[in-house]
Amino acid sequence: DAGITQSPRHKVTETGTPVTLRCHQTENHRYMYWYRQDPGHGLRLIHYSYGVKDTDKGEVSDGYSVSRSKTEDFLLTLESATSSQTSVYFCAISESTRDAAYNEQFFGPGTRLTVL
Amino acid sequence: AQKVTQAQTEISVVEKEDVTLDCVYETRDTTYYLFWYKQPPSGELVFLIRRNSFDEQNEISGRYSWNFQKSTSSFNFTITASQVVDSAVYFCALSEAVFGNEKLTFGTGTRLTIIP
Repeated sequence: DAGITQSPRHKVTETGTPVTLRCHQTENHRYMYWYRQDPGHGLRLIHYSYGVKDTDKGEVSDGYSVSRSKTEDFLLTLESATSSQTSVYFCAISESTRDAAYNEQFFGPGTRLTVL
Repeated sequence: AQKVTQAQTEISVVEKEDVTLDCVYETRDTTYYLFWYKQPPSGELVFLIRRNSFDEQNEISGRYSWNFQKSTSSFNFTITASQVVDSAVYFCALSEAVFGNEKLTFGTGTRLTIIP
């Protein structure tokens, strides 16, 4: 199994509070991703990173920010949580090079976030 | 824009029956990758298969098989002699083959229930 952990695994918070989710990998993979999973929507990409300090927006990035100061850690921050951000959040990693590109993504166990 | 459609929201079959999960995709790219993931009731996402757009050979792995047809933009997944452990949500996903931009677009998933 890919070495990916997410913390916390469960969190309940109130509207308007800041929340930070952490993804940690031990695989030294270059690419890291944050997705949210909601009923009827499958998984949707929030932000991704293609290296330390290199990040870009995904499909549903509004209300979220990310940071990656080390290869192994990718943080997702909700600056001011809203009820619409209640979801299950998954982190994923992958490693692609020009010689072995487009490898599959491996997912962490997920974080269930409830915003009241 | 990429799109993945899994029209079957839920399927139930009796154990030992065969079942096919449909996946139809849309992309303007000539080079792309298709994936299937399994999400059992425990919630983790498990990678099943990756297929590139230049390889239309069907693939078989034990009781699992995949039928990729570019002519109909489909990448269907068949489970033969289904078992209760196959009960899960299955996601089909698509990735553009752009180095440094391996973002996945997921379908909304098909919930498969195997009835003992």
